[in-house]
Amino acid sequence: DQQVKQNSPSLSVQEGRISILNCDYTNSMFDYFLWYKKYPAEGPTFLISISSIKDKNEDGRFTVFLNKSAKHLSLHIVPSQPGDSAVYFCAASRGGADGLTFGKGTHLIIQP
Amino acid sequence: DAMVIQNPRYQVTQFGKPVTLSCSQTLNHNVMYWYQQKSSQAPKLLFHYYDKDFNNEADTPDNFQSRRPNTSFCFLDIRSPGLGDAAMYLCATSLGQGRSGNTIYFGEGSWLTVV
Repeated sequence: DQQVKQNSPSLSVQEGRISILNCDYTNSMFDYFLWYKKYPAEGPTFLISISSIKDKNEDGRFTVFLNKSAKHLSLHIVPSQPGDSAVYFCAASRGGADGLTFGKGTHLIIQP
Repeated sequence: DAMVIQNPRYQVTQFGKPVTLSCSQTLNHNVMYWYQQKSSQAPKLLFHYYDKDFNNEADTPDNFQSRRPNTSFCFLDIRSPGLGDAAMYLCATSLGQGRSGNTIYFGEGSWLTVV
């Protein structure tokens, strides 16, 4: 039973345009959401997070939106750059130290 | 500078031969985690330590064990690796306190090949 779902295995976006990566979750106990970026043969790198008490968080080119009623979050990257090409994982936490539940990832490809 | 360091980065072991992967952290975080990631799959939590308290996930096979001798170090022991255990093993840490304390910081990962 997948509690965090990323339904697009891959996404191709032209350089300079907006990249939108989507994530859905089923467990209403999740209260903290994160996005990680992963290059091949490396560990995931923390990118941005959002608490369930907010609906938006921005950090430079990255913005995460949370729609609690729809149990949906999205990551916007604008403008997209070639270095953004990587696998992006959505993750969710119920709080405490129990660890994160991850989605399967979306492979973002930025085309020149 | 790397804050979560895993060794070795690449490990080849024989079927059934015990293997140990190590992890060290300079963040002084309370919690250390071990995740397993197979190709095109989500990272899967095996277990974690909150300080010295060990927390095993219900579906983690007995073949996988862990030790945390002190705050900085944590080890993953695979007692009898099978071909299905070939994967990337990720060590991670977090503060474990407060909502933002759930942010997990990963090491570079250890690739395990079983031959």
